[in-house]
Amino acid sequence: QGRLVQSESEVKKPGASVRVSCKASDYDFTDYGITWVRQAPGQGLEWMGWISTFNGKQKSAQNIMGRVTLTTDTNTNTAYMELRSLTSDDTAVYYCARGGSYPDDALDVWGQGAMVLVSS
Amino acid sequence: AVQLTQSPSSMSASLGDRVTITCRASQGIGSALAWYQQKAGTPPKLLIYDAFTLESGVPARFSGSGSGPDFTLTINSLQPEDFATYYCQHFYTYPHTFGGGTKVEIK
Repeated sequence: QGRLVQSESEVKKPGASVRVSCKASDYDFTDYGITWVRQAPGQGLEWMGWISTFNGKQKSAQNIMGRVTLTTDTNTNTAYMELRSLTSDDTAVYYCARGGSYPDDALDVWGQGAMVLVSS
Repeated sequence: AVQLTQSPSSMSASLGDRVTITCRASQGIGSALAWYQQKAGTPPKLLIYDAFTLESGVPARFSGSGSGPDFTLTINSLQPEDFATYYCQHFYTYPHTFGGGTKVEIK
């Protein structure tokens, strides 16, 4: 069925970077892409980006392009999202989810979320 | 980028009601649309994909219909566990944007 387990919540200062991990289990990691979604407090879902676990091809949202790096490690079945130059606007719960590329576009398995609080 | 507009943004309904939520795309997206349910403090849960295909394990009272640009999520006979926020998401082109959400509350 599949399971995604994310790293713990973090508190960062403005200008810092954060890296969130997402470890997959119970399915073949390279059969599905990984999508990253964030949700600011009390707000809706925001698509951040997608990465192919097969060849590393990726897409990211225009508003964070240049600040975000998506990577995967097929040895440990883990995906990573690094976001740099953090501001208070980046305070959110960050989710990884399985899917986001044809033919498995829909996000059918989600991590539990990792809260990132950006505060001085 | 494709924009998705959900309506209403919130609604009140009673147990047993039929609820309809609309998602309008800013351009044609074929049937590349999914619906999710999210409850407070938990990740979203996939309900419908490819506009009308029910995800395994999702109750049959949920259904999806439509094709670009208008899509609908219908919940027949609203149950206590259905009070939540619902989001649509398209997969036509990157970025795979989400709609703004519809919060379904108890009347």
